[in-house]
Amino acid sequence: ELKVEQNPLFLSMQEGKNYTIYCNYSTTSDRLYWYRQDPGKSLESLFVLLSNGAVKQEGRLMASLDTKARLSTLHITAAVHDLSATYFCAVADSGAGSYQLTFGKGTKLSVIP
Amino acid sequence: GAGVSQSPSNKVTEKGKDVELRCDPISGHTALYWYRQSLGQGLEFLIYFQGNSAPDKSGLPSDRFSAERTGGSVSTLTIQRTQQEDSAVYLCASSLGRLNYEQYFGPGTRLTVT
Repeated sequence: ELKVEQNPLFLSMQEGKNYTIYCNYSTTSDRLYWYRQDPGKSLESLFVLLSNGAVKQEGRLMASLDTKARLSTLHITAAVHDLSATYFCAVADSGAGSYQLTFGKGTKLSVIP
Repeated sequence: GAGVSQSPSNKVTEKGKDVELRCDPISGHTALYWYRQSLGQGLEFLIYFQGNSAPDKSGLPSDRFSAERTGGSVSTLTIQRTQQEDSAVYLCASSLGRLNYEQYFGPGTRLTVT
């Protein structure tokens, strides 16, 4: 059974600071996703990582994937208040024919002015 | 273009009643997924449809849950004899195909069972 663990689950950081969210998963997968969710809203796709060593950046967010370590990171650079949200990583279960997503529990990020 | 749409956005029902939740995927998307988001369990996969193939029902929590997809497009998730533990946000997602990388999520239906 595929398990996905995120840490930390809660993160309070000051504007301008840097931080990293970690996502570990338990079985081989070739697809890892990062989503953002604002309160009361649905999931917004941030990044799709498809291969070992993949790195993608959008604004102050950068995601990377190490398939050998079964680890993805979401790095936040010089945080701003608008980044406050819950961030989920999700892994596609390639052992399941449907490639359904298994999600981590989410990291609730609060950026404090 | 239009994204995934779901209706209703909110549904309050009494325990024991049946409910139907609707999902309209993005036009042309052949793969459709239902997920459930609850405080206790987080985000969980429920069911998957791909074209006209038999659905993957492996995530359905009980036989009170069923879903269908008509004409390869609109999907309906039905919960019979609702229980309080069914209270959650039900999210629908679609993608171009099973092997396509992106799953696009709808706004969700918040179900409250009283």
